[in-house]
Amino acid sequence: AQSVSQHNHHVILSEAASLELGCNYSYGGTVNLFWYVQYPGQHLQLLLKYFSGDPLVKGIKGFEAEFIKSKFSFNLRKPSVQWSDTAEYFCAVTPLTGRRALTFGSGTRLQVQP
Amino acid sequence: DADVTQTPRNRITKTGKRIMLECSQTKGHDRMYWYRQDPGLGLRLIYYSFDVKDINKGEISDGYSVSRQAQAKFSLSLESAIPNQTALYFCATGGGQRTTHTQYFGPGTRLTVL
Repeated sequence: AQSVSQHNHHVILSEAASLELGCNYSYGGTVNLFWYVQYPGQHLQLLLKYFSGDPLVKGIKGFEAEFIKSKFSFNLRKPSVQWSDTAEYFCAVTPLTGRRALTFGSGTRLQVQP
Repeated sequence: DADVTQTPRNRITKTGKRIMLECSQTKGHDRMYWYRQDPGLGLRLIYYSFDVKDINKGEISDGYSVSRQAQAKFSLSLESAIPNQTALYFCATGGGQRTTHTQYFGPGTRLTVL
């Protein structure tokens, strides 16, 4: 079975700081990777996804993530955060074989201070 | 209009009561999922369904049951609620070709078991 680790549980940044949130997964086969965001009081929304091709994927609101297969990583980045980026961020993975259910990491709470 | 709806949005109940949470979708997706979210644990899969006759247990199905009444409806039941089932419950859908592994979430149901 696959698993996902998000090592940063709570990150506090000032506006305009750069962001990188770590995500590592454990699975021996090919996977699809996702980042979801949950703004306070709201449901999860898809931020970006990797299926195949260019390992650097761009999502909404200036976010991007890089898939590094050799490191089993899919880190999320943003060059300059805004107060409105305050939210909880979840990395998720699904294998391309089997039942293909998503497995989520435990989440990273990002707090951006004005 | 929301593509994935959940009812009720909030529910407080007592230990031992039977509770049903409902999910409806207008996205035309075949796949539907139920997750629970607990602080620090991320989202964990309870049950998932790939079509009306295909229902599968997730990683934490004990104490829960589901019913896929139609392609668009997927209900989650707690036969005899207990306090550690207090959580935020999300329904999600997925389907289509390139979107098969992308899931779309409802607004969530906050359940409190006293």
